[in-house]
Amino acid sequence: AQKITQTQPGMFVQEKEAVTLDCTYDTSDPSYGLFWYKQPSSGEMIFLIYQGSYDQQNATEGRYSLNFQKARKSANLVISASQLGDSAMYFCAMREGDSNYQLIWGAGTKLIIKP
Amino acid sequence: ETGVTQTPRHLVMGMTNKKSLKCEQHLGHNAMYWYKQSAKKPLELMFVYSLEERVENNSVPSRFSPECPNSSHLFLHLHTLQPEDSALYLCASSFLPGLDDTGELFFGEGSRLTVL
Repeated sequence: AQKITQTQPGMFVQEKEAVTLDCTYDTSDPSYGLFWYKQPSSGEMIFLIYQGSYDQQNATEGRYSLNFQKARKSANLVISASQLGDSAMYFCAMREGDSNYQLIWGAGTKLIIKP
Repeated sequence: ETGVTQTPRHLVMGMTNKKSLKCEQHLGHNAMYWYKQSAKKPLELMFVYSLEERVENNSVPSRFSPECPNSSHLFLHLHTLQPEDSALYLCASSFLPGLDDTGELFFGEGSRLTVL
């Protein structure tokens, strides 16, 4: 079974609208961390936001927030007021345990912001 | 200087060539990683070095040979590759993941490898 599932291969969103990128995960480890990365066409993966499994509040970083629903094993990324520069691939990833080097990656969602 | 720098950005090589990819990080991190990104596949972790010791080697063919001479530099030596090895190779660095650090990865821009 897939441990990280991103169900949206691609999305088109109008500039200035909010967008939600879906991510569901599967783990039996009580301690885990969830990451979102952005990959523009240049290739570099850019860290956006992190949510720990024990964090009580949803993580926020500027225009990015993570809608963490632990019981549903869901960690959706919300981008508010989308900009043309937000067009990129977005990846969800999970680390199981506290010190595991391995990140489990989703297949990604290609987001295109329309002017 | 940018945090993680990879060279070359693009590489075309024949199956009998020997080449190397280089990665350098200026973030003071103590772990470095090689990832392979192929079209329509999730990122694949190839190697991890922690404090200059290899700690992960995910069943990577021996035609890929990593080297970590110090905590700031990481190489991937390539030898007799196959066309299916064509991909984007991403280097990353981090602090050691643990209770005190989330261990988020900082990536370079990647080396786009084409094997003819």
